[in-house]
Order: sequence, then C-alpha cells, then structure tokens
Amino acid sequence: AQSVTQPDIHITVSEGASLELRCNYSYGATPYLFWYVQSPGQGLQLLLKYFSGDTLVQGIKGFEAEFKRSQSSFNLRKPSVHWSDAAEYFCAVGRTNNNDMRFGAGTRLTVKP
Amino acid sequence: DAGVIQSPRHEVTEMGQEVTLRCKPISGHNSLFWYRQTMMRGLELLIYFNNNVPIDDSGMPEDRFSAKMPNASFSTLKIQPSEPRDSAVYFCASTWTTSSYNSPLHFGNGTRLTVT
Repeated sequence: AQSVTQPDIHITVSEGASLELRCNYSYGATPYLFWYVQSPGQGLQLLLKYFSGDTLVQGIKGFEAEFKRSQSSFNLRKPSVHWSDAAEYFCAVGRTNNNDMRFGAGTRLTVKP
Repeated sequence: DAGVIQSPRHEVTEMGQEVTLRCKPISGHNSLFWYRQTMMRGLELLIYFNNNVPIDDSGMPEDRFSAKMPNASFSTLKIQPSEPRDSAVYFCASTWTTSSYNSPLHFGNGTRLTVT
C-alpha cells in the first residue's frame, strides 16, 4: 500500500516569511497527490492536487506544490505566510483505480507576528 | 452544495454504551470514507464505500466497530460497546470516483467523541 511521510511535526515561521512543508510518498506507480489544511475544530479542506501534467501545481490561498518523481516528494510552498495560515497541513496520496487515500501525520504551522 | 454533513458534532457517552455517528455525503458522490483522528495516530482510514458497497474495512479496529451505507445519501458508523480509547474525532468524507480517476475528498466537520 502507498504511504506518506511528513518529516516535520511542527514548524514556526514569521509572518511574511516564505514557507516550505515537506512531503515524501511511497508508491510504485504515478500517484495522485493532495495537500489539505485543517483549522481547529474543522474538517480538512483541499489546498491543491496533482494528477498528471505540469509538475508545479497552484492551489488556493496562494499555495503551490511541486511534484518531483525522482525524489518521491510533493512539497508545499508559499512565498509569504499570513497569520491566518496557522493550521495543520496534511499531505495525502491516492492510487489510480482505487479510492484508498492515505494521509501523512500532518505538520502544524505556527505563524509568529 | 451543503457539503458533507455529520451528526452529532459532539458526543459524550459512558463506557459500554452504544454510539452511532451519522454522515450525509455530498449529493452525486459515489464514494464515502470514515476516518478517525487522534493525536497519537493521526488520521486513520477506517472503511470506505464505493456505490454503497464496503470496499475495504481493514482499518476498522475491532469487531466493536461497524459501518453501513444503506443508500447513497446516508452512512452510519457504530461502536458497540464503546471504550475510553475510542475517544477521537471521527470524520466522514465523500468524493466522485471512476475507474480511472481519483478526485479529492470532501470532508465533514467531524464528530468529537468522548467516552468516559
């Protein structure tokens, strides 16, 4: 089965600074990759997804992610973080012809004023 | 689009009691998922349905857990009897899936279960 690793449990950045959240996946074929964000007391909201084509994908709220097959990575980036970006971020991988989606352990983002 | 609707939002019960969590997926979606979220284990897939049929229930922790999807617009997750270690946030999610396409999951706001 596929799996996802998010190496950073907690990251703190200053407001206005750039952000990169790491995600590595394990899957034998081309994966479907997703980033979700979860605010306290809420469900998960989709930020962006990669299925095929351009390896740099744009999402909502100014986020982007780059699929690197050679590194089995799908890191999330934002050039300038806002205080409202403080939340938990989850990377997920799905399989073709299968609904089985697996989530990473999540990275909690704290934004300093 | 009302989104995925879960009820109740919060449930507090005593050990040994039966608990039923409910989910209404987005209309038109054909796949439904139940996840459990805890600090220790993160997001765990419990079971998912495709066209109302359970496809994979290997994530269901014990026989105390059961899930049903009697029709395309309703699913339940039941715990009987409940135990304190079942305390978690339970999420339902739905999506549209074909044999060659995986679309993103749409999550409900979850049910926070506390078993005392």
